[in-house]
Amino acid sequence: SHELTQPPSVSVSPGQTARITCSGDLLSKQYSYWFQQKPGQAPVLVTYKDSERPSGIPERFSGSSSGTTVTLTISGVQAEDEADYYCQSADSSSTYWVFGGGTKLTVL
Amino acid sequence: QVHLVQSGAEVKKPGASVNVSCKASGYTFTDYHMHWVRQAPGQGLEWMGRINPNNGATIYAQKFQGRVTMTRDTSISTAYMELSRLRSDDTAVFYCARDPVAAKDGMDVWGQGTTVTVSS
Repeated sequence: SHELTQPPSVSVSPGQTARITCSGDLLSKQYSYWFQQKPGQAPVLVTYKDSERPSGIPERFSGSSSGTTVTLTISGVQAEDEADYYCQSADSSSTYWVFGGGTKLTVL
Repeated sequence: QVHLVQSGAEVKKPGASVNVSCKASGYTFTDYHMHWVRQAPGQGLEWMGRINPNNGATIYAQKFQGRVTMTRDTSISTAYMELSRLRSDDTAVFYCARDPVAAKDGMDVWGQGTTVTVSS
């Protein structure tokens, strides 16, 4: 199926490590991408091709993949990291793209 | 600097059509697909489809097929998304975003978003 499943919310204290998961059959065959979206702003790409990081994205953001689950890890979470995070991938032919439902990261 | 600048907010009546533009600058327009993404109020991101500016080839999400048309004008580096037969649940912010034709590096630059309100 062309679905990606994320937990609705994750909470973490400042300085701790946040892990946001995304699961779906697509992920065993296609790359994953993670986007950060703050209120009223356009999404920002924070990782691509499972584990690559675009220039300008802090090193505390990292991505990993294992089978049908991918994980966005934010090490040493800061207050400014509070946002919605979306995973994204594509079907096996890279024709149709799909987003996960999104995860709200709360920094306590 | 790379920018995608979208057209302004729109208010439409149910049944009407809306056309949103996305003007690219700072890069070679034909080197990147242009995607369109919808976000309803308080909801997540929804991929609508993409256009290859080289040849105009389009792929639409099944949910929008028959109602969405994506085009481009390479002479002015601008992509367009028209959504027809608007309903109240089409009220949303619409984003354009580019991704490289020749690589899988993802949607790395996004427009600022265009708010479309559908109301009678």
